[in-house]
Amino acid sequence: DAGVIQSPRHEVTEMGQEVTLRCKPISGHDYLFWYRQTMMRGLELLIYFNNNVPIDDSGMPEDRFSAKMPNASFSTLKIQPSEPRDSAVYFCASSLAGQPYGYTFGSGTRLTVV
Amino acid sequence: QKEVEQDPGPLSVPEGAIVSLNCTYSNSAFQYFMWYRQYSRKGPELLMYTYSSGNKEDGRFTAQVDKSSKYISLFIRDSQPSDSATYLCAMSRSSASKIIFGSGTRLSIRP
Repeated sequence: DAGVIQSPRHEVTEMGQEVTLRCKPISGHDYLFWYRQTMMRGLELLIYFNNNVPIDDSGMPEDRFSAKMPNASFSTLKIQPSEPRDSAVYFCASSLAGQPYGYTFGSGTRLTVV
Repeated sequence: QKEVEQDPGPLSVPEGAIVSLNCTYSNSAFQYFMWYRQYSRKGPELLMYTYSSGNKEDGRFTAQVDKSSKYISLFIRDSQPSDSATYLCAMSRSSASKIIFGSGTRLSIRP
């Protein structure tokens, strides 16, 4: 298995532009998580899905952020419009139900908003 | 107050030293405890996990949980330069609950 695959690895965009981050979880995993990591705030959970259904989006900072999971093998995190304070590394992770130890993270997308 | 507190470091020790990394937490409902290791420009990867209190050993690594003190530790014996990374503690209330991460401790092992 190739693990959790995220794209792009790096994204530089101008303030106000729309940004879409993509994630392909491990086949068979039924949980998918989106995290954001910054030096100041560490690793923050933004939203997670179970069987493609959003379960908890309380970590989504504001309405500019949205996430979808149209099927078991694909998820997107969209920021519209983007702001410089959104600059961070965004990680996607997946796991199997009943295995809180089993989060597998992708390599992340480093987002820079200028 | 954060649910999970972790000293960000950085921590620098010579090769071969014993390293102690620690976290404290406030939620007594946490039952599952984990340590993740994150190399530069990579995602975190699970290093060790324990359920409830007690110790667990895996090679040079030992994880300890003291629920009475709400304190967890990771010990690294005979530390190697390849152990240089950021170590994040993590915990959850149940197998179906989300994991809460500490902010991570940056560790550097000097050759």
